[in-house]
Amino acid sequence: NAGVTQTPKFRILKIGQSMTLQCAQDMNHNYMYWYRQDPGMGLKLIYYSVGAGITDKGEVPNGYNVSRSTTEDFPLRLELAAPSQTSVYFCASSTTGRGGETQYFGPGTRLLVL
Amino acid sequence: QKEVEQNSGPLSVPEGAIASLNCTYSDRGSQSFFWYRQYSGKSPELIMSIYSNGDKEDGRFTAQLNKASQYVSLLIRDSQPSDSATYLCAVKIGGTSYGKLTFGQGTILTVHP
Repeated sequence: NAGVTQTPKFRILKIGQSMTLQCAQDMNHNYMYWYRQDPGMGLKLIYYSVGAGITDKGEVPNGYNVSRSTTEDFPLRLELAAPSQTSVYFCASSTTGRGGETQYFGPGTRLLVL
Repeated sequence: QKEVEQNSGPLSVPEGAIASLNCTYSDRGSQSFFWYRQYSGKSPELIMSIYSNGDKEDGRFTAQLNKASQYVSLLIRDSQPSDSATYLCAVKIGGTSYGKLTFGQGTILTVHP
């Protein structure tokens, strides 16, 4: 199993540009999450999904959109990039129920908005 | 008050010593608690989970939970330079059935030879 994969690893965007951060998992997990991590800080939840077709906002959703058309994929869309979106983005997945709450993280995407 | 707060770092300990990492949380209804380790430039990885009051041991790691005091800690015995990393405390806030976690800001641990 590849686990959770993310692409790209690094990207530089100009202000106002758009991009999609890709995330895929091959563990058949129902739950998927997008976090951002700013330097010296913990993880902030952007969006999450409890299954295909079901998504909801997390703590910091402004400026982002998500979709979940399949169990495996959970892309994150930035429509109008702003310098405040410079961060490291992590995708994670988990399964259901007690003991299945472990979140498995992808390697991250480092985004720089100039 | 932050929902999940960790003791301010960085924390520096000599090799072989015990490193103690602390975390407090605000939601009394929280049931699940996690410690993640994050090496510089890498993604977080789970090292301990704890659900019941008391201690849980796994090798050199011991997680301690006190729900009455809303406090969870991680002890690392016989600290090694390879333990140098940022340690993130995470709490499942509220009564949701899925694993929506709230993370603390992290504590940087340095173990020096």
